Amino acid sequence: DVKVTQSSRYLVKRTGEKVFLECVQDMDHENMFWYRQDPGLGLRLIYFSYDVKMKEKGDIPEGYSVSREKKERFSLILESASTNQTSMYLCASSFGTDYGYTFGSGTRLTVV
Amino acid sequence: DQQVKQNSPSLSVQEGRISILNCDYTNSMFDYFLWYKKYPAEGPTFLISISSIKDKNEDGRFTVFLNKSAKHLSLHIVPSQPGDSAVYFCAARPYSGAGSYQLTFGKGTKLSVIP
Repeated sequence: DVKVTQSSRYLVKRTGEKVFLECVQDMDHENMFWYRQDPGLGLRLIYFSYDVKMKEKGDIPEGYSVSREKKERFSLILESASTNQTSMYLCASSFGTDYGYTFGSGTRLTVV
Repeated sequence: DQQVKQNSPSLSVQEGRISILNCDYTNSMFDYFLWYKKYPAEGPTFLISISSIKDKNEDGRFTVFLNKSAKHLSLHIVPSQPGDSAVYFCAARPYSGAGSYQLTFGKGTKLSVIP
């Protein structure tokens, strides 16, 4: 079964910490995405990547960066975590323009 | 500017009845539409899709209708079951060109099916 795996289901971090969220897919997908989901705001795109070492800003990139050193792995980095970054983070991947995304199970991040 | 709109944040339906979830879009370049279902503490899962060459696509209890002239699509669930209780996201993308691999999502509709 194809998989998008996010390394942690739940994380609690302190304000100011540098936080790494990892995402790995085993489908040889070109495209990978990071979203956050908040009540009433839906899914908002943070960053995406359509190739190794390539990255593009989404709708809300402020306070975040990404890394894609290998095709299967896409990391989201919170440079200095703040309480307003408390959210559900979702990673997704897709192959070209076929169909839609496959999502990971999500990481519930709480910043205290 | 919201290009994909789900104007109903929530919907309650009795078990066995029909659930109708609506979605409107503004970008005329959108050519392919998808519905995702999301349970709490899980990632969204693909439910059903439709391309603009069709006006209806059916998969078991789920049917999606597309009205291109009105830029409107709807998801029908018949009969509704308690396990259908989830948040449903509408998504769209252009068929080709820049951004064709990128989905634009609506804000979601929370469906509650009452036993």
